[in-house]
Amino acid sequence: GAVVSQHPSRVICKSGTSVKIECRSLDFQATTMFWYRQFPKQSLMLMATSNEGSKATYEQGVEKDKFLINHASLTLSTLTVTSAHPEDSSFYICSASRQGDTEAFFGQGTRLTVV
Amino acid sequence: DAKTTQPTSMDCAEGRAANLPCNHSTISGNEYVYWYRQIHSQGPQYIIHGLKNNETNEMASLIITEDRKSSTLILPHATLRDTAVYYCIVRARATSGTYKYIFGTGTRLKVLA
Repeated sequence: GAVVSQHPSRVICKSGTSVKIECRSLDFQATTMFWYRQFPKQSLMLMATSNEGSKATYEQGVEKDKFLINHASLTLSTLTVTSAHPEDSSFYICSASRQGDTEAFFGQGTRLTVV
Repeated sequence: DAKTTQPTSMDCAEGRAANLPCNHSTISGNEYVYWYRQIHSQGPQYIIHGLKNNETNEMASLIITEDRKSSTLILPHATLRDTAVYYCIVRARATSGTYKYIFGTGTRLKVLA
């Protein structure tokens, strides 16, 4: 099956700094990528959907200036958490799909801890 | 977006069939039902999906009611490695024209030895 890889798998950053998370589709071209956030013992919450070469579409309540998403190529999307605060600590997961696909492929997730 | 409702948790004896129900009463005619599972601190894993007909693959079977308002995921012979949170998802059409996968609360399945 198609492989989606996230980097880093874990990151700790200081409050007020920015952190970038990468999501790569390793063996296919992803026309659409999705970013989710998951708090402990909760479900995945969709943050935004991005199509290659265009601006991301954010879900209601998600601050686009705080969570910057870039989908510059068909194999890479990045999520930058700007001016991170402890409440941004969470498990961030990306997924990717290609045109005509019947399923989305998920990365292994990135655990962000803001101290 | 169509919403799904699942029981919070279920137990199943090892070797027995695990039947996980899902209600999606607001599903639209062209929206698919997907099932994913998530083992602790990992990304979700695809299991199966369907539109109207029942589906079966090497992992599971999916039974969709005729009115499409509910479905059941069946793991025919549950093993300890099937312990996970199982998510029933209705794949919705996004305003951009692509699809998006909206996760419900999921069912925490515990397979007991």
